[in-house]
Amino acid sequence: DAKTTQPPSMDCAEGRAANLPCNHSTISGNEYVYWYRQIHSQGPQYIIHGLKNNETNEMASLIITEDRKSSTLILPHATLRDTAVYYCIVIHQAGTALIFGKGTTLSVSS
Amino acid sequence: EPEVTQTPSHQVTQMGQEVILRCVPISNHLYFYWYRQILGQKVEFLVSFYNNEISEKSEIFDDQFSVERPDGSNFTLKIRSTKLEDSAMYFCASSSGTLGYGYTFGSGTRLTVV
Repeated sequence: DAKTTQPPSMDCAEGRAANLPCNHSTISGNEYVYWYRQIHSQGPQYIIHGLKNNETNEMASLIITEDRKSSTLILPHATLRDTAVYYCIVIHQAGTALIFGKGTTLSVSS
Repeated sequence: EPEVTQTPSHQVTQMGQEVILRCVPISNHLYFYWYRQILGQKVEFLVSFYNNEISEKSEIFDDQFSVERPDGSNFTLKIRSTKLEDSAMYFCASSSGTLGYGYTFGSGTRLTVV
């Protein structure tokens, strides 16, 4: 599975959009990009995933560049409860274990 | 929304004792996983289980660990002789095995070895 690179930390003001980048320059054509987050010591929570097209759900939007070498997770109106560690993970085969890196610690402040 | 259920939420055990952590994955999921997270560290993969056998395991998953799906609903992680360094949060997860669907994690069991 392709390796991912994320900034270690980011800050965001409450109510503003949080844009979390992820670099996956070695991604191959059949690999999906998944985003998870972990709030404090809770279990990781699924946010969104994508293959080629941009995706949106009730939690976030995922923008994948045309060459698929990077992506951005967008939380449109960040709240204090969005403070968490965010993980970008690439996998190519169904059922493959998710391998977590260090992720990006997002701090949302009022 | 379907959930992965883990019990107990917190377990304290004495060093050298055996401990079994229990999980009920989502009913129509086919793949099951155990992860651990030592306090302040990242989430680490331990093992995945598919079709009643281990499909992947990490270096952490040594002979003191074992997994079992004793019936159609439970998925367990056994640690044979616990050590102080086994103290961690243990997360169970399951997935349908179809790319394009998320993996669902439980809320974890906090294991404290004293």
